[in-house]
Amino acid sequence: GEDVEQSLFLSVREGDSSVINCTYTDSSSTYLYWYKQEPGAGLQLLTYIFSNMDMKQDQRLTVLLNKKDKHLSLRIADTQTGDSAIYFCAETQGNTDKLIFGTGTRLQVFP
Amino acid sequence: EPEVTQTPSHQVTQMGQEVILRCVPISNHLYFYWYRQILGQKVEFLVSFYNNEISEKSEIFDDQFSVERPDGSNFTLKIRSTKLEDSAMYFCASSVRTGNGYTFGSGTRLTIV
Repeated sequence: GEDVEQSLFLSVREGDSSVINCTYTDSSSTYLYWYKQEPGAGLQLLTYIFSNMDMKQDQRLTVLLNKKDKHLSLRIADTQTGDSAIYFCAETQGNTDKLIFGTGTRLQVFP
Repeated sequence: EPEVTQTPSHQVTQMGQEVILRCVPISNHLYFYWYRQILGQKVEFLVSFYNNEISEKSEIFDDQFSVERPDGSNFTLKIRSTKLEDSAMYFCASSVRTGNGYTFGSGTRLTIV
């Protein structure tokens, strides 16, 4: 089945870490992605992880994948006001390259 | 950094009319996609295109929709006989190969009145 779920809102103080969570249902997921959407803008690819990896770090971003629990998370260290946006997780499954998107998490960073 | 360019940024069309949304993918990319996002809802896959033909399409992509790569640079989505429920943000995307991430355009907001 195709179902990717995220919590709708997250509010953090500037300088703290943010953790955005995502769950998916299809065990045939091959790649998992995090996209950022700022108001009125398109979808910006932040990072992605192959399903045989557990973790990937890229500067302030850390992606954790728990394949057993079908759980993906994005940790943003030292969150800044410029990180305020909607964050989407997405997956591709099996031998298809279409993206299945989550519901999106709106991250609000306050001073 | 290379970009996927979409025009127009906002299109208002009367119900029943045809609309063409345009996209210029990144020049060395081979795979092209259209997605849409109805206000407040998930981003949904419409169609993927490779080697001058549709490689996959969703249930949404019925006979009302068509895609075309009329020349070496443009990739268009045509919607015939538009309906109110076609109002959405339409995103074009491209990739050099499958799996390593897709570059999205900034979208066209389509409003059917």
